[in-house]
Amino acid sequence: EPEVTQTPSHQVTQMGQEVILRCVPISNHLYFYWYRQILGQKVEFLVSFYNNEISEKSEIFDDQFSVERPDGSNFTLKIRSTKLEDSAMYFCASSEGGPVNIQYFGAGTRLSVL
Amino acid sequence: DQQVKQNSPSLSVQEGRISILNCDYTNSMFDYFLWYKKYPAEGPTFLISISSIKDKNEDGRFTVFLNKSAKHLSLHIVPSQPGDSAVYFCAASEYYGGATNKLIFGTGTLLAVQP
Repeated sequence: EPEVTQTPSHQVTQMGQEVILRCVPISNHLYFYWYRQILGQKVEFLVSFYNNEISEKSEIFDDQFSVERPDGSNFTLKIRSTKLEDSAMYFCASSEGGPVNIQYFGAGTRLSVL
Repeated sequence: DQQVKQNSPSLSVQEGRISILNCDYTNSMFDYFLWYKKYPAEGPTFLISISSIKDKNEDGRFTVFLNKSAKHLSLHIVPSQPGDSAVYFCAASEYYGGATNKLIFGTGTLLAVQP
């Protein structure tokens, strides 16, 4: 069964460093998303991406964040200068779109900012 | 911003009995509601969805009920099995017609099914 894959599973970084989280969405999907879940809190939407551009972004997704689809298979989330409060589980998701828009999630990357 | 709420952080049921997980929402513009299940160290896995124009959707052991006037939905699992033990998230979205409609999640309910 096709699945969304994310690497690495755990990323440890120092405050102020740049990190890139990687995702390979399901191959025939056209819509891509990043969500995050801070420990003990709800899963929050960060950004959606379609047709090589951002469709929507949340207030969390400030200038420190960027997304890119550098080739036909990868979808990345970059945080330019990490802060302690960026520590969270980051989930990538993809979907075919449409009204119901079932999104399929990867296993996540746990980002720990020290 | 608490557009989707799951007021029960945890629920414990006996194997073979019914599990009922509840979810409330405040935004009357939501078009679709989805339930996801999440095991530790895994991403959310889609379970079942329901359109706002329906009041029930069933898939095997899982049934979702929607009460639009009360802005309430529930997921029924019957019979419950130990493998159902996981965190269950309620999520909602608006359909803008071609847009990427983000999901708005509740805080989740941890279901423990006792053998």
